[in-house]
Amino acid sequence: GAVVSQHPSWVICKSGTSVKIECRSLDFQATTMFWYRQFPKQSLMLMATSNEGSKATYEQGVEKDKFLINHASLTLSTLTVTSAHPEDSSFYICSARKGGGFYNEQFFGPGTRLTVL
Amino acid sequence: QKEVEQNSGPLSVPEGAIASLNCTYSDRVSQSFFWYRQYSGKSPELIMSIYSNGDKEDGRFTAQLNKASQYVSLLIRDSQPSDSATYLCAVSNAGGTSYGKLTFGQGTILTVHP
Repeated sequence: GAVVSQHPSWVICKSGTSVKIECRSLDFQATTMFWYRQFPKQSLMLMATSNEGSKATYEQGVEKDKFLINHASLTLSTLTVTSAHPEDSSFYICSARKGGGFYNEQFFGPGTRLTVL
Repeated sequence: QKEVEQNSGPLSVPEGAIASLNCTYSDRVSQSFFWYRQYSGKSPELIMSIYSNGDKEDGRFTAQLNKASQYVSLLIRDSQPSDSATYLCAVSNAGGTSYGKLTFGQGTILTVHP
């Protein structure tokens, strides 16, 4: 199997606060994890690529100082939304890459629904 | 030009029929191809991966890949109402510094009616 968990599954916070989301690969090691955001009725938007032991690579237009990513181990990556504002309210989903090279299936976590008041 | 294109649908088929989902991609060096299913309000679930030309079957699902035509498809046999979801085609170039980053199509909404 290939199971990826996320915590929390939903969070409500006040504007200006920071929120940390954890992504764990439960039954495999993942040197690479990805963070996505999805707004209602829209497609997935890749935010950043997280590699164990190195700095994350952010997609164009994603503020790296606002969305802090840490991939401290082969099974855990975290996304911290700093100074959250209502426009950051979204569905945040992580995925973990299993395997390497040519065979690079990605398995998604269940997602975290963030609401900023 | 979009890198991965799918018909957005909705595609509506009767229960028991074959649903055919199509996807084209523009990057000829793409090496890995995936189909994900996403139910409303949920995260994507991997249902098929295919890496070489031809067909790959898994239960009621068959993925077909034609690299010369830059085309990948998914057939769902004996469609069930529980198959109603958005189906995402994803393409990856595993090499270089992409780290296996996926490029998604916009998704095809499938509705299977009883």
